[in-house]
This record gives sequence, C-alpha cells and structure tokens, in this order.
Amino acid sequence: GAVVSQHPSRVICKSGTSVKIECRSLDFQATTMFWYRQFPKKSLMLMATSNEGSKATYEQGVEKDKFLINHASLTLSTLTVTSAHPEDSSFYICSADPFGGSADTQYFGPGTRLTVL
Amino acid sequence: AQSVTQPDIHITVSEGASLELRCNYSYGATPYLFWYVQSPGQGLQLLLKYFSGDTLVQGIKGFEAEFKRSQSSFNLRKPSVHWSDAAEYFCAVGASGGSQGNLIFGKGTKLSVKP
Repeated sequence: GAVVSQHPSRVICKSGTSVKIECRSLDFQATTMFWYRQFPKKSLMLMATSNEGSKATYEQGVEKDKFLINHASLTLSTLTVTSAHPEDSSFYICSADPFGGSADTQYFGPGTRLTVL
Repeated sequence: AQSVTQPDIHITVSEGASLELRCNYSYGATPYLFWYVQSPGQGLQLLLKYFSGDTLVQGIKGFEAEFKRSQSSFNLRKPSVHWSDAAEYFCAVGASGGSQGNLIFGKGTKLSVKP
C-alpha cells in the first residue's frame, strides 16, 4: 500500500513552454502533498506544501507564479512549471502523507526529470 | 535553523564489509529522524525512522541506525553490504508533532560497492 505515482517520469521541453507534472496517491487519500526539487549531486529542497482545497504554501525563494501548484482532489496534486528555462531543469519529487501532513510518514513518488532546452 | 549534515559525499566499500554512514543534525526540539535510499533515477524509499523510545532502530534490508542525542547523530549501519545496496542515501529530519510535515534532507552519501 501507500503508493505515490508521478507523471511523466521524464519530460523534455523547449524554453518558454509550460510543463505540468502530476502527483497521485494511488491507494490512499492525502490532504497534504509536498513538492521537492533535487539538483544534481544535491539534496532535496522543499519547494512547497500542497493542501487540498486551498492555496499552496511556498518556501522562501520559490516563485509561486512560476511554479503553480494545484491540489484539486485528495489524490492528485499538480505542479506546473510556467515559461520554463534551462535553469529549471531538475528532478522534481513529490510526497504524500495519508495522515494529514505530519512528518511521521511520507510516501515519495518516483520523481520527474525535467530538461529544458 | 534545522539542518542535516552528511559529511561523506561518496563511500566505497567491498561487498560483505560493514558500513556506517554518518548523519548529524541540528534541531531545537526532539526531532523525527529518517534514512532514505534512492536508486538512480528513482524516488525515495524509507529505510527506517526514529521518533522516540529505543535509540537503536531497525529498518528494512538489514539496516539499523542509532540515535545519539549527545552527539546529535543518527548514523546508519549495516553489518554486511550487498552489491544491491549501491545507491544514494539521505538522512532527514522532521518536526516532531504538529502539522509541519516537510522534511529537511542532508546532501546525501553515494555508496559504491566493490565486488
């Protein structure tokens, strides 16, 4: 149980286009999902906390107009990278918590590799 | 501010040898501590976690970790490494209780296993 999927697993896009990444909890409901970004040879950095039915909470330094997060249902959160640029190329990982956003247990998706040309 | 330090960027061990990956944390209260493993191009898999109680925690795949409050450490150990253990390992700290569910990760330690 407690499987989180991400789609797509890999995407290549041209500079200036927008890319949507989906994060789904397959066998549980998650009122809270987290979006992380991982740079090469670096750790995961929290970008934002996605709350079902309300606005996402962004970490300091993360542009909310560039990284749009929508948590429209209890099993789906989307991250849209708008007007993507090469510096947005990264590995994006989501996690979901079936127990409402505590640190006790988070389940991570397999990640999405974004390459912006 | 909360932080996690993994001093070793890359470690190479021989198959069958013992392993210890270091993790030090900085946190103002009692932390939740985690170790995750990431295979190339994959997401994170939880190896083990510590919330309270026995400071020696057993995890999956034969891993264990010991919480030492006096040293602010949570080192990961395995008595005999297998080739399939080659991966990136991340230590993380989370807020105990409350609704702050995000995790603070260390920069990771890459483990290579020699045959």
